[in-house]
Amino acid sequence: EEQLVESGGGLVQPGGSLRLSCVASGFIFNNYWMAWVRQAPAKGLEWVANMDQDGSQKYYVGSVEGRFTISRDNAKNSLYLQMDSLRDEDTAVYYCARWRESRANAAFGIWGQGTVVTVSS
Amino acid sequence: DIVMTQSPDSLAVSLGERATINCKSSQSLLYGSNNKNYLAWYQQKPGQPPRLLIYWASTRESGVPDRFSGSGSGTDFTLTISSLQTEDVAVYYCQEYYFTPRTFGQGTKLEIK
Repeated sequence: EEQLVESGGGLVQPGGSLRLSCVASGFIFNNYWMAWVRQAPAKGLEWVANMDQDGSQKYYVGSVEGRFTISRDNAKNSLYLQMDSLRDEDTAVYYCARWRESRANAAFGIWGQGTVVTVSS
Repeated sequence: DIVMTQSPDSLAVSLGERATINCKSSQSLLYGSNNKNYLAWYQQKPGQPPRLLIYWASTRESGVPDRFSGSGSGTDFTLTISSLQTEDVAVYYCQEYYFTPRTFGQGTKLEIK
């Protein structure tokens, strides 16, 4: 079964840092682009960042540019999101998602269950 | 950035009746030598992650019931549920996957009338 499992969420003060992890199983991880998508409480979906199979291409939504860093370790079948200088508005459920196909532009075919990040003093 | 606008924001439909959700993109999503529309539809039930229903605007994902269908091209797209079932109560999102940032619509909440 193709699966993504996130971890690393929690409560953090404004200005703090957190590192999210996503472990993949059931498919060849280094064949796919991967992404982080978040959902603030009672709000819609917001794409946060994505990266290609070898990490040479990384893209971010403007609101996290310079604060968040996406990375991956293909040997560990893992995707990461380092979040620094966290703000109240970063409070959300963070989902790890995999492209449906190995091409550069594809829909999000597989989603994790999400990990909750709460930024509050 | 691309703007994806869904209509309506919420919708109540009787069991067995048709539900229609619209999605409009601020730019055409028809690109590439494959002449495909880079548009997906997702379903999200409470407390669950999103689930891919439709990609390339009209291709149903494996395991998705055939009462779900997608149509449209360019900037205007539609998700249709031909005969609403109880388990279809959810929020539905469209999303473009050609441009960066990848943009979602604001969501349409579907309920039973």
